[in-house]
Amino acid sequence: NAGVTQTPKFQVLKTGQSMTLQCAQDMNHNSMYWYRQDPGMGLRLIYYSASEGTTDKGEVPNGYNVSRLNKREFSLRLESAAPSQTSVYFCASFKIGHTEAFFGQGTRLTVV
Amino acid sequence: AQKITQTQPGMFVQEKEAVTLDCTYDTSDPSYGLFWYKQPSSGEMIFLIYQGSYDQQNATEGRYSLNFQKARKSANLVISASQLGDSAMYFCAMREMDAGGTSYGKLTFGQGTILTVHP
Repeated sequence: NAGVTQTPKFQVLKTGQSMTLQCAQDMNHNSMYWYRQDPGMGLRLIYYSASEGTTDKGEVPNGYNVSRLNKREFSLRLESAAPSQTSVYFCASFKIGHTEAFFGQGTRLTVV
Repeated sequence: AQKITQTQPGMFVQEKEAVTLDCTYDTSDPSYGLFWYKQPSSGEMIFLIYQGSYDQQNATEGRYSLNFQKARKSANLVISASQLGDSAMYFCAMREMDAGGTSYGKLTFGQGTILTVHP
């Protein structure tokens, strides 16, 4: 039981490049989330998917797109990376009736 | 819109003493859940404790307890008998139900409080 798996763990991009952050959970969770965490800051919600087939904007969606590929996978895409998107990205998942959201280990992204 | 506020950027406590980390929230959803997570310097998110909006009693998990005051919309974390290993960032979070009521909607975090435990 791997929990929530994020790939990659580290990435350096040049300004204007694109990339997709992958997230997969094997716990049959309905809801999945993408956050960014800047140094010394809290987690800010980028996008979330309350259930398979739905996605909604969070607090800071600009510059990002998401895809809920199936119940297991929720990807985050940066179409044209900017230095302001340098951050640590966390994926999380949740199942209704449960009392804990599970987090991936994070992806440290640097845009130069 | 839901909102979580942690007003203490940093807190200091002596080892073996108790400490309270403050959290206030705002939501119009009658069904919600409140969480506390710990983030050590290594970066992972560690779940500590959960309180449901309909729970009558305050949640407790070992040395952690959640002081839930629904009318005041506060959900403070109390850590008893602090240990050096408790030094970390602590986040309060709240989840709401989605519009259909069948899944969880937003899971929103506060800004965090850095706790430092002194020997």
